[in-house]
Amino acid sequence: EDKVVQSPLSLVVHEGDTVTLNCSYEVTNFRSLLWYKQEKKAPTFLFMLTSSGIEKKSGRLSSILDKKELFSILNITATQTGDSAVYLCAVGKNSGGSNYKLTFGKGTLLTVNP
Amino acid sequence: NAGVMQNPRHLVRRRGQEARLRCSPMKGHSHVYWYRQLPEEGLKFMVYLQKENIIDESGMPKERFSAEFPKEGPSILRIQQVVRGDSAAYFCASSPSSTGGAFFGQGTRLTVV
Repeated sequence: EDKVVQSPLSLVVHEGDTVTLNCSYEVTNFRSLLWYKQEKKAPTFLFMLTSSGIEKKSGRLSSILDKKELFSILNITATQTGDSAVYLCAVGKNSGGSNYKLTFGKGTLLTVNP
Repeated sequence: NAGVMQNPRHLVRRRGQEARLRCSPMKGHSHVYWYRQLPEEGLKFMVYLQKENIIDESGMPKERFSAEFPKEGPSILRIQQVVRGDSAAYFCASSPSSTGGAFFGQGTRLTVV
């Protein structure tokens, strides 16, 4: 059975700290790994990673994928209270060329205190 | 460009009633996915639809659940004869292709009393 495991399950930091969130997976026919930020509303798309070793960056957030070791990390530098959310990792399978069936981890709850 | 729109945001149904959840994908997106998020669990894939076609419904419960995405209008997830265990947040996502990242709506929180 496909599995996506995120760690830690929750994390409390102070503003300005740097955090690293982890995601490991066991999925047949891997195609891509996606990161989402979920506040009280919709999961918001952050990154999609398909190749090992290529860092994706967006402002203070960055992510990288290791397809050999089957994991990804999401880094957030200089955290702000607005970064408080659940961060979801999802893996897409290569089903006939498509990427639609995402398997999600349970998420990491990040709390950034002022 | 409006995002994925779901309605209603909150829905309360008594056991045995029907629940209809609606999803309008982002403009230009013809691929729609439904996910369910149970308390303390991650998002679980339910069904993948393109216009007028169900591509994969392997995550749908075999009974009482159905989904459609008609040529005109929103995608509908229909749950007949709801039970307490159906209480969950139901998220719809859309994408412009089957290989790109999916964008999620704000979800419909279904409560069965």
